[in-house]
Amino acid sequence: GQQVMQIPQYQHVQEGEDFTTYCNSSTTLSNIQWYKQRPGGHPVFLIQLVKSGEVKKQKRLTFQFGEAKKNSSLHITATQTTDVGTYFCVAGTASKLTFGTGTRLQVTL
Amino acid sequence: SQTIHQWPATLVQPVGSPLSLECTVEGTSNPNLYWYRQAAGRGLQLLFYSIGIGQISSEVPQNLSASRPQDRQFILSSKKLLLSDSGFYLCAWGRNGTPGKLFFGSGTQLSVL
Repeated sequence: GQQVMQIPQYQHVQEGEDFTTYCNSSTTLSNIQWYKQRPGGHPVFLIQLVKSGEVKKQKRLTFQFGEAKKNSSLHITATQTTDVGTYFCVAGTASKLTFGTGTRLQVTL
Repeated sequence: SQTIHQWPATLVQPVGSPLSLECTVEGTSNPNLYWYRQAAGRGLQLLFYSIGIGQISSEVPQNLSASRPQDRQFILSSKKLLLSDSGFYLCAWGRNGTPGKLFFGSGTQLSVL
């Protein structure tokens, strides 16, 4: 079956440092979504990428979809304590969504 | 606007007892509905999804079952809980058709003791 791996599993940064999580699928995707889950909370949709090579920005967050539509990345510039949480990519095909393994981000002052 | 309700928020049940978790969606019709389970510090595992009333697809063999008695109601059940059923259960909905953006309920933390 389809596998969606994210690296790293966990990252601890100091506030102000940048952060990147990478998402890799074993199959070509129709789209990729990203979600954020705060500790104790539920996943919240951040963005969806559809086109090969697509790049989207939301304030300090930059999302990229690979040219081959098999990988994606999320980059946060100058992290803040409010960025704490687990970031999941979700691989979309015509018939299903598969959650990645997630990257837990810890930010300290 | 659409909302999703999931209850209870927390539940402590003894091994061997039955389970019923309910999820309802408002403000949309014929949604795709999903049940996920999340072990502590882990990713989300899809348990069941439904594209319509009475239509349930199971992703993994397990001690649980799901039902969709009404268009916007999704129920997760078990006749006899196991210790391994403990976890954070999340209901989600998405628009009908090709899987897209998911909207999650607030989750149920289930502890089986």
